[in-house]
Amino acid sequence: GAGVSQTPSNKVTEKGKYVELRCDPISGHTALYWYRQSLGQGPEFLIYFQGTGAADDSGLPNDRFFAVRPEGSVSTLKIQRTERGDSAVYLCASSPPGLAGEETQYFGPGTRLLVL
Amino acid sequence: AQSVTQLDSQVPVFEEAPVELRCNYSSSVSVYLFWYVQYPNQGLQLLLKYLSGSTLVESINGFEAEFNKSQTSFHLRKPSVHISDTAEYFCAVSAQGGSEKLVFGKGTKLTVNP
Repeated sequence: GAGVSQTPSNKVTEKGKYVELRCDPISGHTALYWYRQSLGQGPEFLIYFQGTGAADDSGLPNDRFFAVRPEGSVSTLKIQRTERGDSAVYLCASSPPGLAGEETQYFGPGTRLLVL
Repeated sequence: AQSVTQLDSQVPVFEEAPVELRCNYSSSVSVYLFWYVQYPNQGLQLLLKYLSGSTLVESINGFEAEFNKSQTSFHLRKPSVHISDTAEYFCAVSAQGGSEKLVFGKGTKLTVNP
């Protein structure tokens, strides 16, 4: 079946601009996660949703970052007033219903964001 | 809070040699442990995971990892590697009974040479 998809695959923007990154999880998956991976680093947690609500947003670096999942499926990560330090690969993952923490997270290919 | 240390950023080996990729973690609560692999130009995918029970877990392509609670380690091993194992390997943990977020190490780039 279809995996997690993310659009766009690449995004180039200018410092100060607003960007939206989209994630389509695997059908039926109730949990959705956002991570950020900088060059030479492992993925860093940003936020995760159970259904429509954010269950843990402790990884969002500041109030320029915001994410929504209004219907419990597709999610959008929104970054306001982008800075050069926001340049990274933004990864989305989803997992099926099951025992908390035990289910495998399935990752998308990522969106590579470059802020000039 | 949890943290993960992968001591080796790069591991070069020859084909058919054994390999061990090291992973140590820190946590004040019990954890689940994962190894993810990222092949060139592909997304992250789960290699194996430890949830409970037997401390030795295996993947379908010959890798294994052993959970050692006293040493807080979850090292990944393979007795004989192939060229196709060339990839970046990430160790990750999540807290049992807590947030489902994964905390990743910085990764180990395994290069298998002919």
